[in-house]
Amino acid sequence: DTAVSQTPKYLVTQMGNDKSIKCEQNLGHDTMYWYKQDSKKFLKIMFSYNNKELIINETVPNRFSPKSPDKAHLNLHINSLELGDSAVYFCASSQIGVNYGYTFGSGTRLTVV
Amino acid sequence: GENVEQHPSTLSVQEGDSAVIKCTYSDSASNYFPWYKQELGKGPQLIIDIRSNVGEKKDQRIAVTLNKTAKHFSLHITETQPEDSAVYFCAAIPQGGKLIFGQGTELSVKP
Repeated sequence: DTAVSQTPKYLVTQMGNDKSIKCEQNLGHDTMYWYKQDSKKFLKIMFSYNNKELIINETVPNRFSPKSPDKAHLNLHINSLELGDSAVYFCASSQIGVNYGYTFGSGTRLTVV
Repeated sequence: GENVEQHPSTLSVQEGDSAVIKCTYSDSASNYFPWYKQELGKGPQLIIDIRSNVGEKKDQRIAVTLNKTAKHFSLHITETQPEDSAVYFCAAIPQGGKLIFGQGTELSVKP
């Protein structure tokens, strides 16, 4: 029973396409996040939603648009994909105010060709 | 904002030896310091954490120390085993609740 699940696990697409990554958590957490891991393994936060409301929006191109239909789901849509978008994208969740521990999904490896 | 520096970037040890990874943080308001282990093809997994009101915490072969005055914290792994090989990340949460990661340490344990 996966706590934070992301789909798809791999995504290969051409430049200029639009793609979406989906994330779901069954931990009952109220906050979800998207992190980007680059080729040097550095993990950088992109967005955070608390109870469907956007609370963190880092300096991310507006081609990236997150959407949270409910507190258990956080999707990431990317328009006009560029080569530099190639990375591993991780979804995570946490319960604010409680032990602060983040639970991460297994990642989506996006390759733009 | 918070900045977390992690050293070394790579660490190679013999099985049975100890491994130490060090991190420093910049925001004195940070009060929670987790450590994550990332195995190949997987997401980061929380292995141990420490809060700012505690100086040391141990869980079997892993321990974490925190020096609030110096703003640094360390991960210690004793009696290393090949399955400890992975990328380890330190992190800090400042006020605002945003988890900020260090750059990662690739640990290799040679049998």
